[in-house]
Amino acid sequence: GEDVEQSLFLSVREGDSSVINCTYTDSSSTYLYWYKQEPGAGLQLLTYIFSNMDMKQDQRLTVLLNKKDKHLSLRIADTQTGDSAIYFCADPRGYGQNFVFGPGTRLSVLP
Amino acid sequence: NAGVTQTPKFQVLKTGQSMTLQCAQDMNHNSMYWYRQDPGMGLRLIYYSASEGTTDKGEVPNGYNVSRLNKREFSLRLESAAPSQTSVYFCASSELTPRDYGYTFGSGTRLTVV
Repeated sequence: GEDVEQSLFLSVREGDSSVINCTYTDSSSTYLYWYKQEPGAGLQLLTYIFSNMDMKQDQRLTVLLNKKDKHLSLRIADTQTGDSAIYFCADPRGYGQNFVFGPGTRLSVLP
Repeated sequence: NAGVTQTPKFQVLKTGQSMTLQCAQDMNHNSMYWYRQDPGMGLRLIYYSASEGTTDKGEVPNGYNVSRLNKREFSLRLESAAPSQTSVYFCASSELTPRDYGYTFGSGTRLTVV
């Protein structure tokens, strides 16, 4: 995942907003994805954004895409303890048989 | 609906031993994948099978072999385990291309090679 970068850790207080950032290098992808991994589990598709969109909102989740800067962010409103997990940004890289995953951001939600 | 099932969940091997990780999906997906997850490195693709009867190397195939037994099952074999293969292994499947549909992941196999 060297071409998809994320900060490794983020701590927020319960009820605050969380913003997880991602930068990528390949500009040809049709979609960009966010996956969530809870402790001891596999990755689950959380949300995605089509490359011709700037923003996508889904309940407490907001995805922002800045194609010029190749920057993707995931905002979680009213963060809860159940949101504690590792969040992975993923770039399908063209045809998409080989996603490139970022290293994951471990979100810790403090009471 | 079980999704993607991996066995075993945990395994400890001695250096040089062999083993096969099993994966099965019940979603009638065409494509299946094996990834390894190492701390701070995200997921790296080992092998994939775009359809029944085909397999291709991913980013880190050395030391591994795969078999697409049928549409449901895709196994990963370590012929001679090495400590560098200590990792968490995930199997995934996708309807067509994961670019358009994303992946469904199994819950992982945590492998330790001593």
